[in-house]
Order: sequence, then C-alpha cells, then structure tokens
Amino acid sequence: KAGVTQTPRYLIKTRGQQVTLSCSPISGHRSVSWYQQTPGQGLQFLFEYFSETQRNKGNFPGRFSGRQFSNSRSEMNVSTLELGDSALYLCASSLWLAGGSYNEQFFGPGTRLTVL
Amino acid sequence: SQQGEEDPQALSIQEGENATMNCSYKTSINNLQWYRQNSGRGLVHLILIRSNEREKHSGRLRVTLDTSKKSSSLLITASRAADTASYFCATTGGGADGLTFGKGTHLIIQP
Repeated sequence: KAGVTQTPRYLIKTRGQQVTLSCSPISGHRSVSWYQQTPGQGLQFLFEYFSETQRNKGNFPGRFSGRQFSNSRSEMNVSTLELGDSALYLCASSLWLAGGSYNEQFFGPGTRLTVL
Repeated sequence: SQQGEEDPQALSIQEGENATMNCSYKTSINNLQWYRQNSGRGLVHLILIRSNEREKHSGRLRVTLDTSKKSSSLLITASRAADTASYFCATTGGGADGLTFGKGTHLIIQP
C-alpha cells in the first residue's frame, strides 16, 4: 500500500501571498488531519476532514482553511502569509474511529514552507 | 496548546543500553500514542495504549500508562543507532480536537 503523499515537499513564498498544499491519504482512509510543526510551538492540530466535511478544527486563524474531495484527497490553504507561518506542515490519514477518538495516524513526509 | 510534556528533552546513551522517556499530560484521555520522527520528516506511529490499559509491548518497545498520575513512559530496550530520533507522546480525548502532542524527547544513540 502506498503511504501518505504530500506535495510540494518544499515551498518558498513571500509575505502576503497565499499557498495551497496537497495531501493524498492512504487508499481506504477517509479521515485526513493537518498539523503544523514549528520549533517554538511544536506540533499543533490544524483541522480534520472526514467524508468531505470538516469534523474538527484547532485554534488557528481563519487564514488557514482546508477542504477534502470525494476521493479523500485534501488540500489546505493559507492566505495572506506571515513570517510566522514558516513551518513543516504534516498531513495524516487514518481509518475513522467511532466515539470521537483518534486511532493510529499515518503521516506524510510534510511540506516545508518558508515565508520570506 | 501542548498537553503532553516529555521528559527528558534530550537523552544520549550508548548503543545497547535501554532508553526511557516519560510523558505527562493534563486532562483525561481516550488513548495515548507514541510517535517517532527522524530529522524533521514525517512521524511514524509506534504504539497506542488505551486509557483502560496499563502496559503494552511491541517488539523492543514497552509503554506504561498511569492515569491516576496522568503519565506514561516509553522504554526502548537494546537501543540501536537507528533509534536516534525525536519521540513524541500524543493524547486524544479530554475535549481536545485532534492529537495533542508533547514537545518531544530527542534521543541520540552513540555507537
């Protein structure tokens, strides 16, 4: 089975621009989550999508948004980029687990975004 | 916000020795998971322990969970150079959305 893939792997943008990151989950996984990793704040949950619906959202400003397509592929978008948005953005897929908990997450290699 | 706090932040041991990392958390949980990350790449799931379990084994890994102390430990036995990585605990539940990660323990195995 192919793993989680993320594109692009590296991205350099300037302040004020917007960016779209893409994630393809493992075949059969319908839950896709996004995380931001920075040296200062560590790993932080952005949002989770299941069956094209946002199921959970972390504490990030509205500049961060996402969506999921019918084939479970997901994109996240960051508008009006700030220097502090420089981070490793990780996507994870999993099988849906009833009861509101999270099962084993399969992470992609990440997209390293640098904002200049 | 960070729920889990790993201890120590960094650990350097000789190959063949055992490595123990601890994780403390603040709220009630459904389960606790440990992940490994090599050099800023993606995370790899190691083991999951549910809130009603006290101990779990997987190969050279042993995880314990003490919900009364809100803490967990990860033991890696007979360490190898390839175990050099950052290790994170992550909790689910307690009203939080998604996985809540700790800051991680950076483990270095000296050959």
